[in-house]
Amino acid sequence: GNSVTQMEGPVTLSEEAFLTINCTYTATGYPSLFWYVQYPGEGLQLLLKATKADDKGSNKGFEATYRKETTSFHLEKGSVQVSDSAVYFCALSQTGGTSYGKLTFGQGTILTVHP
Amino acid sequence: GAGVSQTPSNKVTEKGKYVELRCDPISGHTALYWYRQSLGQGPEFLIYFQGTGAADDSGLPNDRFFAVRPEGSVSTLKIQRTERGDSAVYLCASSLTAGHNEQFFGPGTRLTVL
Repeated sequence: GNSVTQMEGPVTLSEEAFLTINCTYTATGYPSLFWYVQYPGEGLQLLLKATKADDKGSNKGFEATYRKETTSFHLEKGSVQVSDSAVYFCALSQTGGTSYGKLTFGQGTILTVHP
Repeated sequence: GAGVSQTPSNKVTEKGKYVELRCDPISGHTALYWYRQSLGQGPEFLIYFQGTGAADDSGLPNDRFFAVRPEGSVSTLKIQRTERGDSAVYLCASSLTAGHNEQFFGPGTRLTVL
Protein backbone atom coordinates (compact mmCIF):
# COMPACT_ATOMS: atom_id res chain seq x y z
CA GLY A 1 0.00 0.00 0.00
CA ASN A 2 0.90 3.66 -0.12
CA SER A 3 2.97 5.22 2.63
CA VAL A 4 4.74 8.49 3.46
CA THR A 5 7.70 8.86 5.81
CA GLN A 6 8.80 12.22 7.16
CA MET A 7 11.83 13.15 9.16
CA GLU A 8 11.06 13.07 12.82
CA GLY A 9 10.79 16.30 14.72
CA PRO A 10 10.58 18.50 16.44
CA VAL A 11 12.78 20.83 14.43
CA THR A 12 13.94 23.99 16.18
CA LEU A 13 15.61 26.77 14.21
CA SER A 14 16.60 30.37 14.63
CA GLU A 15 14.99 33.00 12.43
CA GLU A 16 16.58 33.26 8.96
CA ALA A 17 18.00 29.73 9.14
CA PHE A 18 17.68 27.28 6.22
CA LEU A 19 14.98 24.64 6.56
CA THR A 20 14.80 21.14 5.13
CA ILE A 21 12.15 18.62 6.09
CA ASN A 22 12.70 15.27 4.42
CA CYS A 23 9.85 13.26 2.95
CA THR A 24 9.97 9.96 1.09
CA TYR A 25 7.08 7.92 -0.22
CA THR A 26 6.06 4.47 -1.40
CA ALA A 27 3.34 4.23 -4.02
CA THR A 28 2.46 2.46 -7.22
CA GLY A 29 2.25 4.45 -10.40
CA TYR A 30 2.53 8.22 -10.39
CA PRO A 31 1.01 9.84 -7.33
CA SER A 32 0.55 13.54 -6.76
CA LEU A 33 2.57 14.92 -3.84
CA PHE A 34 1.61 17.61 -1.35
CA TRP A 35 2.81 19.54 1.65
CA TYR A 36 0.11 20.63 4.10
CA VAL A 37 0.67 22.98 7.05
CA GLN A 38 -1.22 23.30 10.31
CA TYR A 39 -0.64 26.55 12.16
CA PRO A 40 -1.41 26.67 15.89
CA GLY A 41 -5.16 26.67 16.44
CA GLU A 42 -5.96 26.40 12.73
CA GLY A 43 -7.00 23.69 10.30
CA LEU A 44 -4.88 21.96 7.68
CA GLN A 45 -3.99 24.13 4.69
CA LEU A 46 -2.38 23.15 1.42
CA LEU A 47 1.09 24.69 1.21
CA LEU A 48 2.25 23.39 -2.17
CA LYS A 49 1.89 20.47 -4.54
CA ALA A 50 3.47 18.71 -7.51
CA THR A 51 1.65 16.36 -9.83
CA LYS A 52 4.41 14.81 -11.93
CA ALA A 53 8.08 13.93 -11.79
CA ASP A 54 10.54 16.87 -11.73
CA ASP A 55 7.74 19.35 -11.00
CA LYS A 56 8.61 21.94 -8.38
CA GLY A 57 5.87 23.20 -6.10
CA SER A 58 6.39 26.56 -4.41
CA ASN A 59 4.51 28.92 -2.12
CA LYS A 60 5.37 31.49 0.56
CA GLY A 61 9.09 30.93 0.01
CA PHE A 62 8.79 27.16 0.46
CA GLU A 63 9.77 24.76 -2.32
CA ALA A 64 9.69 21.03 -2.95
CA THR A 65 10.68 19.04 -6.04
CA TYR A 66 9.04 15.74 -7.04
CA ARG A 67 11.95 13.29 -7.40
CA LYS A 68 10.74 9.99 -8.78
CA GLU A 69 14.20 8.42 -8.87
CA THR A 70 14.60 8.86 -5.11
CA THR A 71 10.84 8.79 -4.30
CA SER A 72 11.26 12.02 -2.37
CA PHE A 73 9.56 15.39 -1.95
CA HIS A 74 11.71 17.31 0.53
CA LEU A 75 10.45 20.68 1.77
CA GLU A 76 12.92 23.59 1.81
CA LYS A 77 12.93 27.26 2.71
CA GLY A 78 15.95 29.50 2.51
CA SER A 79 15.15 31.77 5.45
CA VAL A 80 12.51 30.82 7.99
CA GLN A 81 10.47 33.25 10.06
CA VAL A 82 8.87 32.94 13.46
CA SER A 83 5.50 32.87 11.69
CA ASP A 84 6.52 29.61 9.95
CA SER A 85 6.23 27.77 13.28
CA ALA A 86 3.66 25.05 12.60
CA VAL A 87 3.23 21.33 11.94
CA TYR A 88 4.09 20.27 8.39
CA PHE A 89 2.62 17.16 6.75
CA CYS A 90 3.81 15.49 3.57
CA ALA A 91 1.08 13.62 1.70
CA LEU A 92 0.40 11.75 -1.51
CA SER A 93 -2.69 11.18 -3.58
CA GLN A 94 -3.04 8.17 -5.82
CA THR A 95 -4.31 8.77 -9.30
CA GLY A 96 -6.97 6.52 -10.73
CA GLY A 97 -9.02 3.66 -9.30
CA THR A 98 -11.38 3.82 -6.36
CA SER A 99 -8.76 5.58 -4.22
CA TYR A 100 -8.71 8.59 -6.53
CA GLY A 101 -7.96 11.71 -4.52
CA LYS A 102 -7.61 10.00 -1.17
CA LEU A 103 -4.64 11.47 0.74
CA THR A 104 -2.06 9.39 2.59
CA PHE A 105 -0.19 11.53 5.14
CA GLY A 106 3.12 11.31 6.91
CA GLN A 107 3.20 11.63 10.68
CA GLY A 108 3.96 15.36 10.65
CA THR A 109 6.99 17.42 11.64
CA ILE A 110 6.74 20.13 14.28
CA LEU A 111 8.75 23.23 13.37
CA THR A 112 9.54 25.90 15.95
CA VAL A 113 11.37 29.06 14.88
CA HIS A 114 12.90 31.30 17.56
CA PRO A 115 13.62 35.02 17.09
CA GLY B 1 -17.04 32.31 0.61
CA ALA B 2 -17.53 29.97 3.53
CA GLY B 3 -15.05 27.19 4.06
CA VAL B 4 -15.68 23.67 5.27
CA SER B 5 -17.46 23.69 8.60
CA GLN B 6 -17.75 20.89 11.14
CA THR B 7 -19.99 20.54 14.15
CA PRO B 8 -19.62 20.12 17.00
CA SER B 9 -16.07 21.40 17.50
CA ASN B 10 -15.77 19.27 20.63
CA LYS B 11 -17.70 16.22 21.71
CA VAL B 12 -17.27 14.37 24.99
CA THR B 13 -19.16 11.14 25.36
CA GLU B 14 -19.14 8.02 27.46
CA LYS B 15 -18.01 4.61 26.33
CA GLY B 16 -20.79 2.75 24.61
CA LYS B 17 -22.71 5.83 23.46
CA TYR B 18 -23.65 6.78 19.90
CA VAL B 19 -22.30 9.99 18.31
CA GLU B 20 -22.87 11.88 15.09
CA LEU B 21 -20.36 14.30 13.59
CA ARG B 22 -21.46 16.70 10.88
CA CYS B 23 -19.58 18.19 7.95
CA ASP B 24 -20.73 21.04 5.70
CA PRO B 25 -18.52 21.14 2.60
CA ILE B 26 -17.82 24.12 0.39
CA SER B 27 -20.83 24.76 -1.83
CA GLY B 28 -20.47 23.07 -5.21
CA HIS B 29 -17.78 20.62 -4.11
CA THR B 30 -18.75 17.13 -5.21
CA ALA B 31 -16.02 15.18 -3.42
CA LEU B 32 -16.03 14.85 0.37
CA TYR B 33 -13.50 13.04 2.55
CA TRP B 34 -13.38 12.03 6.21
CA TYR B 35 -10.07 11.53 8.02
CA ARG B 36 -9.15 10.74 11.61
CA GLN B 37 -6.13 12.26 13.33
CA SER B 38 -4.79 10.78 16.53
CA LEU B 39 -2.48 12.78 18.76
CA GLY B 40 0.97 13.20 17.22
CA GLN B 41 0.00 11.47 13.99
CA GLY B 42 -0.97 12.49 10.51
CA PRO B 43 -4.59 12.24 9.38
CA GLU B 44 -5.72 8.77 8.30
CA PHE B 45 -8.30 8.28 5.57
CA LEU B 46 -11.71 6.92 6.56
CA ILE B 47 -14.15 7.33 3.69
CA TYR B 48 -14.66 9.31 0.49
CA PHE B 49 -17.88 10.39 -1.22
CA GLN B 50 -18.31 11.42 -4.81
CA GLY B 51 -21.76 12.98 -4.83
CA THR B 52 -24.13 10.93 -2.68
CA GLY B 53 -22.32 7.61 -2.92
CA ALA B 54 -19.40 6.33 -0.90
CA ALA B 55 -16.76 5.69 -3.56
CA ASP B 56 -14.23 4.27 -1.10
CA ASP B 57 -14.92 3.29 2.52
CA SER B 58 -11.82 1.15 2.94
CA GLY B 59 -10.51 3.29 5.80
CA LEU B 60 -13.44 2.75 8.16
CA PRO B 61 -11.93 0.76 11.05
CA ASN B 62 -14.94 -1.50 11.68
CA ASP B 63 -18.71 -1.73 11.31
CA ARG B 64 -19.32 0.65 14.23
CA PHE B 65 -18.41 3.47 11.86
CA PHE B 66 -20.80 4.62 9.14
CA ALA B 67 -21.14 7.78 7.08
CA VAL B 68 -23.84 9.20 4.85
CA ARG B 69 -24.24 12.06 2.41
CA PRO B 70 -27.88 11.75 1.32
CA GLU B 71 -28.18 14.89 -0.81
CA GLY B 72 -24.62 15.15 -2.02
CA SER B 73 -23.76 18.04 0.27
CA VAL B 74 -23.76 17.71 4.08
CA SER B 75 -22.24 14.51 5.44
CA THR B 76 -22.64 12.83 8.81
CA LEU B 77 -20.15 10.41 10.32
CA LYS B 78 -21.85 8.07 12.77
CA ILE B 79 -20.08 6.03 15.43
CA GLN B 80 -21.96 3.39 17.39
CA ARG B 81 -20.95 1.90 20.75
CA THR B 82 -18.03 4.30 21.09
CA GLU B 83 -14.78 3.04 22.59
CA ARG B 84 -11.96 4.96 24.27
CA GLY B 85 -9.77 4.20 21.26
CA ASP B 86 -12.13 6.23 19.07
CA SER B 87 -10.90 9.42 20.76
CA ALA B 88 -9.28 11.57 18.07
CA VAL B 89 -9.85 14.63 15.91
CA TYR B 90 -12.16 13.83 13.01
CA LEU B 91 -11.43 15.94 9.94
CA CYS B 92 -13.61 16.56 6.93
CA ALA B 93 -12.34 17.86 3.60
CA SER B 94 -14.01 18.72 0.31
CA SER B 95 -12.76 19.31 -3.20
CA LEU B 96 -14.34 20.45 -6.44
CA THR B 97 -14.00 16.94 -7.82
CA ALA B 98 -11.87 13.97 -6.86
CA GLY B 99 -8.29 13.64 -7.95
CA HIS B 100 -5.76 16.42 -8.30
CA ASN B 101 -8.02 19.18 -7.03
CA GLU B 102 -7.01 20.74 -3.72
CA GLN B 103 -8.79 19.37 -0.68
CA PHE B 104 -10.02 22.06 1.72
CA PHE B 105 -10.11 20.93 5.32
CA GLY B 106 -12.50 21.85 8.08
CA PRO B 107 -11.35 22.68 11.63
CA GLY B 108 -12.20 19.21 12.86
CA THR B 109 -14.29 17.71 15.65
CA ARG B 110 -12.36 16.63 18.73
CA LEU B 111 -14.03 13.48 20.06
CA THR B 112 -13.24 12.33 23.58
CA VAL B 113 -14.64 9.03 24.78
CA LEU B 114 -14.48 8.65 28.56
